[in-house]
Amino acid sequence: DQQVKQNSPSLSVQEGRISILNCDYTNSMFDYFLWYKKYPAEGPTFLISISSIKDKNEDGRFTVFLNKSAKHLSLHIVPSQPGDSAVYFCAQNGILGIYFGSGTKLNVKP
Amino acid sequence: KAGVTQTPRYLIKTRGQQVTLSCSPISGHRSVSWYQQTPGQGLQFLFEYFSETQRNKGNFPGRFSGRQFSNSRSEMNVSTLELGDSALYLCASSFAGGLVNTEAFFGQGTRLTVV
Repeated sequence: DQQVKQNSPSLSVQEGRISILNCDYTNSMFDYFLWYKKYPAEGPTFLISISSIKDKNEDGRFTVFLNKSAKHLSLHIVPSQPGDSAVYFCAQNGILGIYFGSGTKLNVKP
Repeated sequence: KAGVTQTPRYLIKTRGQQVTLSCSPISGHRSVSWYQQTPGQGLQFLFEYFSETQRNKGNFPGRFSGRQFSNSRSEMNVSTLELGDSALYLCASSFAGGLVNTEAFFGQGTRLTVV
């Protein structure tokens, strides 16, 4: 059973608008979540993280929100830029490694 | 501080052959995880090694194997290659896997093409 799920395989947004990427998880035991960004033919790079002691973490244009009761986290990008077009993976730290979602491909249109 | 190094970057093999991929983690990191990414797919977890021991394994056939050396460098081997094994293979290095709240760092990957 998949521990971390990203139900939207793709998202298209106009430049300057907000991008919202969503992620659901099943195991509440592990309390550290991460977002990664991946361009084609490159390895994913770390973007932002959040610990369950917080419900929000902000870094420039990127904000991650954590809703523990719903077991849901989201990544907001404001304003979206064409260079943000990439695949975004959410991940959760677990005792046996880091569990990744299947990714959401974001396309920001100029 | 050097990043995660994967070699080779590109590889072309024929069906039935075997292949070995290498990953050198960041100095001090003891956890190495391997992932497969095929076109349109997410990161499929292969296995994770921590201090030379395989701690976790994904749902891949036994043709996929790995090991980790005392210096934390890791190798992944795929035997009897199939066309469907063509993918980007990524290695991620972290201090202690999921045990410590810190991020993993990825290499650039090895692009394997099976013909």
